Amino acid sequence: KQEVTQIPAALSVPEGENLVLNCSFTDSAIYNLQWFRQDPGKGLTSLLLIQSSQREQTSGRLNASLDKSSGRSTLYIAASQPGDSATYLCAAHSGNTGKLIFGQGTTLQVKP
Amino acid sequence: GAVVSQHPSRVICKSGTSVKIECRSLDFQATTMFWYRQFPKQSLMLMATSNEGSKATYEQGVEKDKFLINHASLTLSTLTVTSAHPEDSSFYICSAISGLNSPLHFGNGTRLTVT
Repeated sequence: KQEVTQIPAALSVPEGENLVLNCSFTDSAIYNLQWFRQDPGKGLTSLLLIQSSQREQTSGRLNASLDKSSGRSTLYIAASQPGDSATYLCAAHSGNTGKLIFGQGTTLQVKP
Repeated sequence: GAVVSQHPSRVICKSGTSVKIECRSLDFQATTMFWYRQFPKQSLMLMATSNEGSKATYEQGVEKDKFLINHASLTLSTLTVTSAHPEDSSFYICSAISGLNSPLHFGNGTRLTVT
Protein backbone atom coordinates (compact mmCIF):
# COMPACT_ATOMS: atom_id res chain seq x y z
CA LYS A 1 0.00 0.00 0.00
CA GLN A 2 1.39 3.33 -1.09
CA GLU A 3 2.09 5.87 1.64
CA VAL A 4 3.22 9.41 0.98
CA THR A 5 4.94 11.57 3.58
CA GLN A 6 5.83 15.23 3.42
CA ILE A 7 8.40 17.01 5.52
CA PRO A 8 8.27 19.56 7.02
CA ALA A 9 4.62 19.98 7.94
CA ALA A 10 5.06 23.73 8.14
CA LEU A 11 7.70 26.16 7.03
CA SER A 12 8.14 29.90 7.50
CA VAL A 13 10.77 31.81 5.57
CA PRO A 14 11.57 35.43 4.76
CA GLU A 15 10.86 36.69 1.30
CA GLY A 16 13.56 35.98 -1.24
CA GLU A 17 14.79 32.72 0.20
CA ASN A 18 15.17 29.58 -1.84
CA LEU A 19 13.52 26.59 -0.23
CA VAL A 20 13.00 22.87 -0.65
CA LEU A 21 9.93 20.83 0.20
CA ASN A 22 10.33 17.10 0.60
CA CYS A 23 8.07 14.23 -0.34
CA SER A 24 8.72 10.52 0.13
CA PHE A 25 6.72 7.52 -1.02
CA THR A 26 6.95 3.88 -0.04
CA ASP A 27 6.12 2.15 -3.33
CA SER A 28 8.52 3.05 -6.12
CA ALA A 29 6.21 1.55 -8.76
CA ILE A 30 4.55 4.84 -9.58
CA TYR A 31 3.23 6.17 -12.88
CA ASN A 32 3.94 9.75 -12.01
CA LEU A 33 4.18 12.19 -9.16
CA GLN A 34 2.33 15.45 -9.03
CA TRP A 35 2.78 18.58 -6.94
CA PHE A 36 -0.19 20.76 -6.08
CA ARG A 37 -0.82 24.02 -4.38
CA GLN A 38 -3.84 24.61 -2.17
CA ASP A 39 -4.87 27.99 -0.83
CA PRO A 40 -7.01 28.05 2.34
CA GLY A 41 -10.55 26.89 1.67
CA LYS A 42 -9.84 26.37 -2.01
CA GLY A 43 -9.35 23.50 -4.37
CA LEU A 44 -6.05 22.27 -5.75
CA THR A 45 -3.94 23.78 -8.47
CA SER A 46 -1.60 21.46 -10.31
CA LEU A 47 1.96 22.80 -10.32
CA LEU A 48 4.14 20.12 -11.83
CA LEU A 49 3.72 16.56 -13.05
CA ILE A 50 6.76 14.29 -13.27
CA GLN A 51 6.37 11.10 -15.24
CA SER A 52 8.05 8.00 -13.84
CA SER A 53 10.62 8.10 -16.65
CA GLN A 54 11.59 11.69 -15.89
CA ARG A 55 13.98 13.09 -13.32
CA GLU A 56 12.68 16.61 -13.03
CA GLN A 57 10.28 19.22 -14.29
CA THR A 58 10.54 22.99 -14.20
CA SER A 59 7.99 25.75 -14.36
CA GLY A 60 9.13 29.29 -13.70
CA ARG A 61 10.59 29.48 -10.20
CA LEU A 62 9.52 25.93 -9.43
CA ASN A 63 11.58 22.81 -9.99
CA ALA A 64 10.48 19.35 -8.98
CA SER A 65 12.73 16.31 -8.97
CA LEU A 66 11.94 12.63 -8.78
CA ASP A 67 14.13 9.77 -7.59
CA LYS A 68 12.13 6.60 -7.83
CA SER A 69 14.87 4.36 -6.46
CA SER A 70 14.96 6.24 -3.17
CA GLY A 71 11.26 7.01 -3.15
CA ARG A 72 11.73 10.75 -3.00
CA SER A 73 10.64 13.92 -4.69
CA THR A 74 11.54 17.49 -3.91
CA LEU A 75 9.93 20.77 -4.85
CA TYR A 76 12.38 23.63 -5.09
CA ILE A 77 11.04 27.18 -4.95
CA ALA A 78 13.46 29.89 -5.96
CA ALA A 79 13.32 33.46 -4.69
CA SER A 80 10.20 32.91 -2.64
CA GLN A 81 7.49 35.56 -2.55
CA PRO A 82 4.62 36.23 -0.12
CA GLY A 83 2.25 35.08 -2.84
CA ASP A 84 3.82 31.63 -2.60
CA SER A 85 2.25 31.19 0.84
CA ALA A 86 -0.02 28.16 0.62
CA THR A 87 -0.12 24.46 1.36
CA TYR A 88 1.86 22.31 -1.04
CA LEU A 89 0.79 18.74 -1.57
CA CYS A 90 2.57 15.97 -3.38
CA ALA A 91 0.70 12.98 -4.68
CA ALA A 92 1.88 9.68 -6.10
CA HIS A 93 -0.01 8.07 -8.92
CA SER A 94 0.24 4.35 -8.32
CA GLY A 95 -0.90 1.48 -10.43
CA ASN A 96 -3.14 1.67 -13.43
CA THR A 97 -6.20 3.14 -11.78
CA GLY A 98 -5.37 6.82 -11.93
CA LYS A 99 -5.69 7.15 -8.17
CA LEU A 100 -3.50 9.66 -6.42
CA ILE A 101 -2.25 9.10 -2.90
CA PHE A 102 -1.60 12.40 -1.16
CA GLY A 103 0.89 13.43 1.43
CA GLN A 104 -0.19 15.50 4.40
CA GLY A 105 1.12 18.68 2.84
CA THR A 106 3.60 21.37 3.79
CA THR A 107 2.14 24.71 4.79
CA LEU A 108 4.44 27.46 3.63
CA GLN A 109 4.45 31.01 4.88
CA VAL A 110 6.66 33.56 3.15
CA LYS A 111 7.03 36.71 5.20
CA PRO A 112 7.52 40.05 3.46
CA GLY B 1 -5.71 24.44 -19.59
CA ALA B 2 -8.11 21.79 -18.47
CA VAL B 3 -10.91 23.06 -16.27
CA VAL B 4 -13.01 21.17 -13.80
CA SER B 5 -16.08 22.91 -12.45
CA GLN B 6 -17.59 21.87 -9.14
CA HIS B 7 -20.95 23.07 -7.89
CA PRO B 8 -22.02 24.25 -5.41
CA SER B 9 -19.01 25.78 -3.72
CA ARG B 10 -20.77 25.97 -0.38
CA VAL B 11 -23.86 24.30 0.99
CA ILE B 12 -25.49 24.29 4.37
CA CYS B 13 -28.13 21.69 5.02
CA LYS B 14 -30.08 20.28 7.90
CA SER B 15 -29.35 16.91 9.38
CA GLY B 16 -31.23 14.15 7.58
CA THR B 17 -31.40 15.84 4.21
CA SER B 18 -29.51 14.88 1.07
CA VAL B 19 -27.08 17.02 -0.85
CA LYS B 20 -25.92 16.62 -4.44
CA ILE B 21 -22.56 17.90 -5.63
CA GLU B 22 -21.75 18.15 -9.34
CA CYS B 23 -18.38 17.84 -10.99
CA ARG B 24 -17.97 18.75 -14.64
CA SER B 25 -14.99 18.65 -16.95
CA LEU B 26 -15.46 21.69 -19.16
CA ASP B 27 -12.98 21.27 -21.98
CA PHE B 28 -12.02 17.60 -21.99
CA GLN B 29 -13.59 14.19 -21.69
CA ALA B 30 -12.93 12.69 -18.31
CA THR B 31 -12.63 8.94 -18.51
CA THR B 32 -12.30 8.80 -14.77
CA MET B 33 -13.33 11.09 -11.97
CA PHE B 34 -12.33 10.88 -8.35
CA TRP B 35 -14.00 12.16 -5.21
CA TYR B 36 -11.94 13.25 -2.24
CA ARG B 37 -12.78 14.42 1.23
CA GLN B 38 -10.67 16.78 3.26
CA PHE B 39 -11.07 17.52 6.94
CA PRO B 40 -9.63 20.76 8.33
CA LYS B 41 -5.85 20.87 8.26
CA GLN B 42 -5.67 17.35 6.87
CA SER B 43 -4.79 15.99 3.50
CA LEU B 44 -7.14 14.66 0.88
CA MET B 45 -8.57 11.22 1.38
CA LEU B 46 -9.83 9.38 -1.67
CA MET B 47 -13.43 8.32 -1.28
CA ALA B 48 -14.19 6.69 -4.61
CA THR B 49 -13.20 6.30 -8.22
CA SER B 50 -15.82 6.83 -10.86
CA ASN B 51 -15.62 5.60 -14.46
CA GLU B 52 -18.16 6.73 -17.00
CA GLY B 53 -20.98 4.27 -17.41
CA SER B 54 -19.97 1.93 -14.62
CA LYS B 55 -20.38 1.66 -10.88
CA ALA B 56 -18.03 3.62 -8.69
CA THR B 57 -15.28 1.88 -6.79
CA TYR B 58 -15.26 2.91 -3.16
CA GLU B 59 -12.27 3.03 -0.86
CA GLN B 60 -12.27 0.95 2.28
CA GLY B 61 -14.36 2.49 5.00
CA VAL B 62 -16.47 4.66 2.70
CA GLU B 63 -20.18 3.83 2.81
CA LYS B 64 -21.43 3.46 -0.74
CA ASP B 65 -25.06 3.74 0.30
CA LYS B 66 -24.36 7.04 1.99
CA PHE B 67 -22.17 8.58 -0.68
CA LEU B 68 -23.91 7.86 -3.98
CA ILE B 69 -21.80 8.50 -7.04
CA ASN B 70 -23.12 8.69 -10.57
CA HIS B 71 -20.95 9.18 -13.66
CA ALA B 72 -23.49 9.27 -16.45
CA SER B 73 -21.37 11.01 -19.08
CA LEU B 74 -17.75 11.74 -19.91
CA THR B 75 -18.10 15.25 -18.54
CA LEU B 76 -20.26 14.88 -15.46
CA SER B 77 -20.06 13.03 -12.16
CA THR B 78 -22.25 13.64 -9.14
CA LEU B 79 -21.81 12.84 -5.48
CA THR B 80 -24.92 12.69 -3.33
CA VAL B 81 -24.52 12.70 0.42
CA THR B 82 -27.65 10.98 1.64
CA SER B 83 -29.21 11.57 5.06
CA ALA B 84 -26.41 13.93 5.97
CA HIS B 85 -25.24 14.24 9.56
CA PRO B 86 -22.98 16.82 11.21
CA GLU B 87 -20.03 14.43 11.02
CA ASP B 88 -20.36 14.55 7.22
CA SER B 89 -19.43 18.23 7.32
CA SER B 90 -16.25 18.49 5.31
CA PHE B 91 -14.63 19.81 2.17
CA TYR B 92 -15.41 17.59 -0.80
CA ILE B 93 -13.24 17.86 -3.91
CA CYS B 94 -13.63 16.16 -7.25
CA SER B 95 -10.96 15.58 -9.83
CA ALA B 96 -10.91 14.37 -13.38
CA ILE B 97 -8.42 12.74 -15.68
CA SER B 98 -8.50 12.19 -19.42
CA GLY B 99 -5.98 9.36 -19.44
CA LEU B 100 -3.89 7.35 -17.02
CA ASN B 101 -0.70 9.33 -17.45
CA SER B 102 -2.38 12.69 -17.74
CA PRO B 103 -2.38 15.28 -14.96
CA LEU B 104 -5.23 15.19 -12.53
CA HIS B 105 -7.31 18.36 -12.57
CA PHE B 106 -9.32 19.39 -9.55
CA GLY B 107 -12.50 21.29 -8.98
CA ASN B 108 -12.57 24.11 -6.46
CA GLY B 109 -14.26 21.99 -3.86
CA THR B 110 -17.56 22.10 -1.99
CA ARG B 111 -17.74 23.11 1.65
CA LEU B 112 -20.57 21.08 3.19
CA THR B 113 -21.91 22.09 6.58
CA VAL B 114 -24.60 19.95 8.16
CA THR B 115 -26.45 21.56 11.04
